[in-house]
Amino acid sequence: DTEVTQTPKHLVMGMTNKKSLKCEQHMGHRAMYWYKQKAKKPPELMFVYSYEKLSINESVPSRFSPECPNSSLLNLHLHALQPEDSALYLCASSQDTSTDTQYFGPGTRLTVL
Amino acid sequence: QKEVEQNSGPLSVPEGAIASLNCTYSDRGSQSFFWYRQYSGKSPELIMFIYSNGDKEDGRFTAQLNKASQYVSLLIRDSQPSDSATYLCAVENSGGSNYKLTFGKGTLLTVNP
Repeated sequence: DTEVTQTPKHLVMGMTNKKSLKCEQHMGHRAMYWYKQKAKKPPELMFVYSYEKLSINESVPSRFSPECPNSSLLNLHLHALQPEDSALYLCASSQDTSTDTQYFGPGTRLTVL
Repeated sequence: QKEVEQNSGPLSVPEGAIASLNCTYSDRGSQSFFWYRQYSGKSPELIMFIYSNGDKEDGRFTAQLNKASQYVSLLIRDSQPSDSATYLCAVENSGGSNYKLTFGKGTLLTVNP
């Protein structure tokens, strides 16, 4: 089973709202990732968690706040977003952060009004 | 800046033909290479990974790696209309303790019935 789940599938929010994206995997993977993907562009890495600790932050604005409550869950808290933050937000996981394969969730389509 | 280059296409082939997708990368130390398929509006789906020079076959898909030329390709035999998608080449960034994938911009493949 290589399933990564994400909720919600779609999210529309105003610039003053606070919302959270959720990601879950039960494959025993110890690395989890957040990516942002704009239309017709490749995924851009935002954050990497390794063994529940943040190991990479790709200079993402503070209006995006990741959280890893346990080894199966990864959240992305959103606050005061801008319309240009509208994108597909992808979660991925891998066995660890060596050279292992990353498996993607279905994504959350975010629209900021 | 570590780069992954792909021909953006679109690449159009008739049903039953061989589709050839190419990717070059700049990081000579990279050890892991991945091909993902992404349908419009969906998340990337792993098709193949390859670590060693040479060919790796899985059903209708063959990945080819030439580290000396810093070149990786994906061949799709007996192409089907359902293969129509964007194909993303992803390369592991070598060095340091943090593992990252760099994605190419993707090649849009259209298989015509």
